[in-house]
This record gives sequence, structure tokens and C-alpha cells, in this order.
Amino acid sequence: EVQLVESGGGLVQPGGSLRLSCAASGFMFSDHNMDWVRQAPGKGLEWVARIRDRGRTDTTEYAASVKGRFTISRDDSKNLLYLQMNSLKTEDTAVYYCARSPLGRGPFDYWGRGTLVTVSS
Amino acid sequence: DIQMTQSPSSLSASVGDRVTITCRASQGISNSLAWFQQKPGKAPKSLIDAASTLQSGVPSKFSGSGSGTDFTLTISSLQPEDFATYYCLQYISYPFTFGPGTKVDLK
Repeated sequence: EVQLVESGGGLVQPGGSLRLSCAASGFMFSDHNMDWVRQAPGKGLEWVARIRDRGRTDTTEYAASVKGRFTISRDDSKNLLYLQMNSLKTEDTAVYYCARSPLGRGPFDYWGRGTLVTVSS
Repeated sequence: DIQMTQSPSSLSASVGDRVTITCRASQGISNSLAWFQQKPGKAPKSLIDAASTLQSGVPSKFSGSGSGTDFTLTISSLQPEDFATYYCLQYISYPFTFGPGTKVDLK
């Protein structure tokens, strides 16, 4: 069974940093692209970042709203996905979901339950 | 960036109704379109990708169609478990962009 479990969310002050993790199980993690998607309270979904599978040397893509502040990475030996978030802004407040994206299919076929990040003073 | 719009933004329907939601892209995206269902307090669930391919385990009452800029999601006979918010997503180019969502509630 595919499982994605996020952790690391919490309350942080503007300008602060936080690192989110996503533990994956039930599938060949290293063979999949992985993404972070967020949802501000009461709002819609926003794609945040992607890291490609090891076959494409872990290249990354970012939404403009987070580029230069957030870094997506992965540890295939531990089946872990990360999102390092720096210079956080109040508008980064959201539930952050990790999602699996299979090769050759549309993205986000499986999602974690999400972790809440609140940026507030 | 490719902008995605959805209509209607919300609709009220009864159990057994046929429901159609429309998604439009600001430029052609071929069939690189996915649909997701989200219930309150839950993670989104993938329903359809490639505009019309049902994900494994998704009931056949859901169907998708379209190509280019105009797409539809149809629920053939609405059931209580289908009341939710539905989002479309284009994935032909970065940044991936979602539509604003269509909330389906009980009339």
C-alpha cells in the first residue's frame, strides 16, 4: 500500500525557516517524481515544487512564489522527501502535501495527509 | 503561466443528478489535464488524468473529456459521497496550475 506521511510543520515567525519531511513507503520511491503542493486556509491548491526521479539526476522545478527560498530534496536510501523553507512569509501559511507523480502518467496519483505550516508573529 | 478557470464555482445538486463541471485553459494543453476530488479536512484524491483516463479504483460514474483548451468532468449519478470540491490541473508545462475549484453541495 502506498503511504506518504508528512511531518515537520508548526508555527514559525516571518523570516524563519522550517524543514518538512515526507516518509514514503509501499512503492519504489527512487523511480518516481515527487512534488509538494500546498493549500492556504480556505483556499485552493497550489503546486510548490518537484524533484525528478534518480534517472534524471534529481533535477528540480519551483513555483515562482517560492523559488530562491524553498529547496526540495530527496534521500532515496531512506525513502524521504524534504522541503527546506527559508525566509518564510505570512503568505506561506498553508497545509503542505507531498504527492507522488508516476513516470508516464499524470501527476499526484497519491497524496499524504498534509502538515500545517503557520507563519505568524 | 497557463491559467485555469472552472465553471461553475459552485453548484447545488440532488442525489441521482448528472453533474458536469467545465475547465478551461488559457492556452492549448493537449490532453495534459487531471481532475481531483477534495473533501473537507482531507487530502485531494486523484480521479482522472490525461483528460479522460480514470485512476485505478475510481468508479465509472466519473468521466472526463476534452482536449486543447476545454475540458469537462461528468458525474453520471451523484451520490452522497460525491459532495466535495473538484479541481482541474494542467501539467503540460511548469508551473503546474490548478483551477480554482468547483464546490458541489446538496440542494
